[in-house]
Amino acid sequence: GAVVSQHPSRVICKSGTSVKIECRSLDFQATTMFWYRQFPKKSLMLMATSNEGSKATYEQGVEKDKFLINHASLTLSTLTVTSAHPEDSSFYICSSLEGAGYGYTFGSGTRLTVV
Amino acid sequence: AQTVTQSQPEMSVQEAETVTLSCTYDTSESNYYLFWYKQPPSRQMILVIRQEAYKQQNATENRFSVNFQKAAKSFSLKISDSQLGDTAMYFCAFGVSGGYQKVTFGIGTKLQVIP
Repeated sequence: GAVVSQHPSRVICKSGTSVKIECRSLDFQATTMFWYRQFPKKSLMLMATSNEGSKATYEQGVEKDKFLINHASLTLSTLTVTSAHPEDSSFYICSSLEGAGYGYTFGSGTRLTVV
Repeated sequence: AQTVTQSQPEMSVQEAETVTLSCTYDTSESNYYLFWYKQPPSRQMILVIRQEAYKQQNATENRFSVNFQKAAKSFSLKISDSQLGDTAMYFCAFGVSGGYQKVTFGIGTKLQVIP
């Protein structure tokens, strides 16, 4: 089945620094990647949808200048949290669709802690 | 816009018993997919089962089956012969057919399998 590799799995950074999270589709071409944020014991909140070669579409309330998304190739999408603050600490998950209706494949998630 | 409702925040079941998780949704779309995802303590999202809305036959995957009632917009998940490894958060999700559409998730049901 389709595999999305997400790195890093855990990262701790200082306030004010930037952190990049990568998601790679290993055995399929991910035209579209979805980026989610999940708070403890909560559901997944869609942050943005990235499409290869074009600008990402952000959900209402998500700061596009803080959460930079790049989808430069069909196998790699990145999320950069810029000027991170403690309130950005969360679990971030990427997801892609191998084929319409086949189900969405998720990365293993990144736990970001900003100190 | 689509909404997905899971009205059972937490459930428990004895090992080897059967449990049913509820999900209702609201949409004006006619072609769509429904999914159940499992998120164990590792937080990796795993596809449990999917259902195409145009199919009347309920989907089954080994011990997992669904009761899809399209007119009632209901999509419940039945887990038979529950195993300790089934302990997880379960999310019901909705996706529109055609293209790479974003998925709407319910808030989840925490299932505890008791030895």
